[in-house]
Amino acid sequence: EPEVTQTPSHQVTQMGQEVILRCVPISNHLYFYWYRQILGQKVEFLVSFYNNEISEKSEIFDDQFSVERPDGSNFTLKIRSTKLEDSAMYFCASSGVAGGLGETQYFGPGTRLLVL
Amino acid sequence: AQSVTQPDIHITVSEGASLELRCNYSYGATPYLFWYVQSPGQGLQLLLKYFSGDTLVQGIKGFEAEFKRSQSSFNLRKPSVHWSDAAEYFCAVGPTQGGSEKLVFGKGTKLTVNP
Repeated sequence: EPEVTQTPSHQVTQMGQEVILRCVPISNHLYFYWYRQILGQKVEFLVSFYNNEISEKSEIFDDQFSVERPDGSNFTLKIRSTKLEDSAMYFCASSGVAGGLGETQYFGPGTRLLVL
Repeated sequence: AQSVTQPDIHITVSEGASLELRCNYSYGATPYLFWYVQSPGQGLQLLLKYFSGDTLVQGIKGFEAEFKRSQSSFNLRKPSVHWSDAAEYFCAVGPTQGGSEKLVFGKGTKLTVNP
């Protein structure tokens, strides 16, 4: 069964450093998402991406964050200058043709980011 | 704004016992509702979803959920729990036509299964 994959599974970085989290969505999907879950808190939406542009973003997704689909398979989340409060589990998700119309979003296993 | 409440942070049941995990939502229209499960070290796996029609939906691993509009609830049930069901369960309300694409999650309920 097709699945969303994410790399790395764990990332430790120093405050102020840039990190790039990578995701390979399901191959025929058109809509891509990033969510994060700070330890002990809810899973929160960060951004959605369709047709090579951001279609929606949350208040969390400030200028320190960016997303890119550099080729036909990868979808990346970049944090330019990490802060302590960026420590979280980051989930990538993708959905198919209908996108926002109640289409199921399939999630990857997550990247655990720790900022020291 | 959409919101999801899962009132139980942690539930413990014995193997073979029945299970009900509660979920209440706040949304202005008929929502799309989802239950996801997260096993340790794993991603979020979809258990089941409700879009419209029959208010009792069947999912994977023997789970079912019932949509009750009058109570704004979408509770997850399983008649007999297995030790492998120990995990964290998330209820979510989903994107709708013309609206936001994002999923809004509850805080999750951690399920412990005693032998």
